[in-house]
Amino acid sequence: AQSVTQLDSHVSVSEGTPVLLRCNYSSSYSPSLFWYVQHPNKGLQLLLKYTSAATLVKGINGFEAEFKKSETSFHLTKPSAHMSDAAEYFCVVSESYNTDKLIFGTGTRLQVFP
Amino acid sequence: DTAVSQTPKYLVTQMGNDKSIKCEQNLGHDTMYWYKQDSKKFLKIMFSYNNKELIINETVPNRFSPKSPDKAHLNLHINSLELGDSAVYFCASSPITSGTGVTEAFFGQGTRLTVV
Repeated sequence: AQSVTQLDSHVSVSEGTPVLLRCNYSSSYSPSLFWYVQHPNKGLQLLLKYTSAATLVKGINGFEAEFKKSETSFHLTKPSAHMSDAAEYFCVVSESYNTDKLIFGTGTRLQVFP
Repeated sequence: DTAVSQTPKYLVTQMGNDKSIKCEQNLGHDTMYWYKQDSKKFLKIMFSYNNKELIINETVPNRFSPKSPDKAHLNLHINSLELGDSAVYFCASSPITSGTGVTEAFFGQGTRLTVV
C-alpha cells in the first residue's frame, strides 16, 4: 500500500531564504505524487504534481519538487520564501490501479518570519 | 465561478441531530469524494463516487451516508451526530474514471462541523 511521510511537522524560515519541505513515499507501483497547500481556514490548492513525466516538477508561486526514485523522495523547495507562503503543506500520493484515492501525509506547517 | 462548492461553510449543531452538507462541482468530472480533516489537520478519504456509483467506503460509520443525485453533486448526510464528528469535511472532484488512478483532485473550501 502507498504511504507518505512528511519528515517535519513545522518549518520556520526567514523571508527571502530558501524553503525545503521534505517528503518520502512508499509505493508498490510507479506513483503519482502531489503537493497541496492549505492557507488558514481555506481549502486545499494543488501546488504541483508528478505523474511519471519530468522528474523536476515546477508548480505555482515559484515552488518546485524533484522526484527521486532511488531515495523515494519528493521534496518541495522554493528559492526565496515570501510571507504569503505561510501555510500548511501536504505531500500526497495517489493510490492507483484498483482504487482512486489520495493518501495524505500529516502535513508541514511553514512559518515565514520577516 | 467556483469549481467545487460546499454548503454550508460552518455548521454548529447539537449531539443527536441529523445534518447534511451539500457539494456541487461544475468541472464536468466523473469522480467526487468526501474527505475528513481532524483537529490535527490529518486528511483521510471517506467516500468516493464515480458517475453516481459508490466506489470507496473507508470504514466510515453507517451514520454517514453519501448521496449522489447526479455526477455533479455529492451530498453527505450524517445521522445522530456525535462529539467526535467535529471536523472539517472537504468535498473534492477528479477528472478520472475509476481504476485508472487519480491525476489530481480539486477541493472545495471545506465545511467546519462543530458538534456540541
